[in-house]
Amino acid sequence: NAGVTQTPKFQVLKTGQSMTLQCAQDMNHEYMSWYRQDPGMGLRLIHYSVGAGITDQGEVPNGYNVSRSTTEDFPLRLLSAAPSQTSVYFCASSRRESNQPQHFGDGTRLSIL
Amino acid sequence: KQEVTQIPAALSVPEGENLVLNCSFTDSAIYNLQWFRQDPGKGLTSLLLIQSSQREQTSGRLNASLDKSSGRSTLYIAASQPGDSATYLCAVSTDFNKFYFGSGTKLNVKP
Repeated sequence: NAGVTQTPKFQVLKTGQSMTLQCAQDMNHEYMSWYRQDPGMGLRLIHYSVGAGITDQGEVPNGYNVSRSTTEDFPLRLLSAAPSQTSVYFCASSRRESNQPQHFGDGTRLSIL
Repeated sequence: KQEVTQIPAALSVPEGENLVLNCSFTDSAIYNLQWFRQDPGKGLTSLLLIQSSQREQTSGRLNASLDKSSGRSTLYIAASQPGDSATYLCAVSTDFNKFYFGSGTKLNVKP
């Protein structure tokens, strides 16, 4: 059982480049979300999805796009990378019931030069 | 907006000690609260989840409590071990899977 898989694990971009961070889960979870983790600030929610075809903004959505065409996949797109987007990005998934925990991927470490 | 604070930011204890990590939140209208463990360079592992209607949860040497009226949760670790060294994160949800995280407590358990 793979759980939540994120690719790539590391990436270096130049300012202005675009890229897509991939996230896939094999647990048939309805909910998926993206967070960024910066030193001393904890994790902050970027975008989330409550099911295929449904997405919404979190705390810090600017500069990022998401889509959810299938239950399994929830890619995060950086439209025009900026140094302020240097961070560690985590994808998470969970079932909709309140007693079900979130499952996290191992993260993507992204540096923008 | 929900604000989550964790105190202390770092803690160093000798092996075998019992310890308490604290988490406070500003909005008592929560859906659930989750404690996570994060090892360096790794993702988050869920330790305990407390639903809004519950007061505490236990798993092995871990016990988490929730007091919504005061906006507080504690994670109690009994008989600490060097393998418990990690960063512990508290996360509060106000709506399904919209979580707000504290900045964590970095725990070091010395042999």
